[in-house]
Amino acid sequence: ETGVTQTPRHLVMGMTNKKSLKCEQHLGHNAMYWYKQSAKKPLELMFVYNFKEQTENNSVPSRFSPECPNSSHLFLHLHTLQPEDSALYLCASSQGDRISLNQPQHFGDGTRLSIL
Amino acid sequence: QQQVKQSPQSLIVQKGGISIINCAYENTAFDYFPWYQQFPGKGPALLIAIRPDVSEKKEGRFTISFNKSAKQFSLHIMDSQPGDSATYFCAASNNNDMRFGAGTRLTVKP
Repeated sequence: ETGVTQTPRHLVMGMTNKKSLKCEQHLGHNAMYWYKQSAKKPLELMFVYNFKEQTENNSVPSRFSPECPNSSHLFLHLHTLQPEDSALYLCASSQGDRISLNQPQHFGDGTRLSIL
Repeated sequence: QQQVKQSPQSLIVQKGGISIINCAYENTAFDYFPWYQQFPGKGPALLIAIRPDVSEKKEGRFTISFNKSAKQFSLHIMDSQPGDSATYFCAASNNNDMRFGAGTRLTVKP
């Protein structure tokens, strides 16, 4: 059983829809991350949260809106997405008392998002 | 530009052979160099990682070689098995930044 669970596994939506991706970690970690994985491109770090506080936003368009209600749950709210946003969205978590990207990260299996 | 360049893009190895994947980074402030393994339909999983205070780290059949002066590191998979067929990603990071390579698709033929 993976320590990081993502739902749904697959999502198809139109450009005018609003949907949300959910991530839950069962590892007792304090930091959580959203990544975008596109074909033949490096993983792109989108958002970083530590103790529910966002500490990183790598120039992500505002049509992606993260939410972290507690240290175990992370959401990514989607609205008016573009076809180029079709990708695998990965959630990850890591240990540590503060944000530290130089620590092992545990990934979920991702949500495959397709924008029509 | 702070990139991590990974090569080759794809690799085919016979069972029992050695698989070698290389990465080069630019930011000398990076101090953590992990390798992740990803199977189809799954998220990446940490395979092995190294910090720049050592030049080599071995865990079972997997070895990382690290050359700080050249800003390069590589993954060696000894006695490669069909079950090792997956995509491998290198990464380089420090406290504030993390960059991934574009991945290498490894196929180990029986």
